[in-house]
Amino acid sequence: DAGVIQSPRHEVTEMGQEVTLRCKPISGHDYLFWYRQTMMRGLELLIYFNNNVPIDDSGMPEDRFSAKMPNASFSTLKIQPSEPRDSAVYFCASSLGTPPGYTFGSGTRLTVV
Amino acid sequence: GENVEQHPSTLSVQEGDSAVIKCTYSDSASNYFPWYKQELGKGPQLIIDIRSNVGEKKDQRIAVTLNKTAKHFSLHITETQPEDSAVYFCAASVGGYQKVTFGTGTKLQVIP
Repeated sequence: DAGVIQSPRHEVTEMGQEVTLRCKPISGHDYLFWYRQTMMRGLELLIYFNNNVPIDDSGMPEDRFSAKMPNASFSTLKIQPSEPRDSAVYFCASSLGTPPGYTFGSGTRLTVV
Repeated sequence: GENVEQHPSTLSVQEGDSAVIKCTYSDSASNYFPWYKQELGKGPQLIIDIRSNVGEKKDQRIAVTLNKTAKHFSLHITETQPEDSAVYFCAASVGGYQKVTFGTGTKLQVIP
């Protein structure tokens, strides 16, 4: 298996633009997580899905953020409109819901200028 | 919700020495404690985990200990090597293994 695949690896966009981050989880994993990593706040859980259904979105910072999982092999995180404070590395992770825990993707580094 | 504190934030050791990273958690219901290693430009990778019914677990040069009473858990790396240099995160999970709360990370530097 190729692991959790995220795209793009890097994204630079202007303030106010829409940004869409993509994730393909490991086949057979039924949990998918979106995390944001910054120096100031560390790793923050934004939202997670179980069997394509959003379970907890309490970490989504604002209505500008939305996430979808239309099927078991694909998820998106959208920011509209983007702001400079959204600049961070966004990670997607998947798991079977039991140990040995998450497998993270390589992340998307988002820069909003 | 769960709160995980991690210390130190940075740690420098000489190659061959041991390194210890400590974490505390707030929710006594937490029952799963994974540790992740993040290398530059990569996502965190699980290196070892421990469940609340176990006090210690070892895997070659790394070991984790858990003190449920004090709500402390620690990562021990012996005979450190330059390739151990990375950021290490502890984490805790409440009510199952799906959703974990991460500590703030420890940047470990192993000096050759």
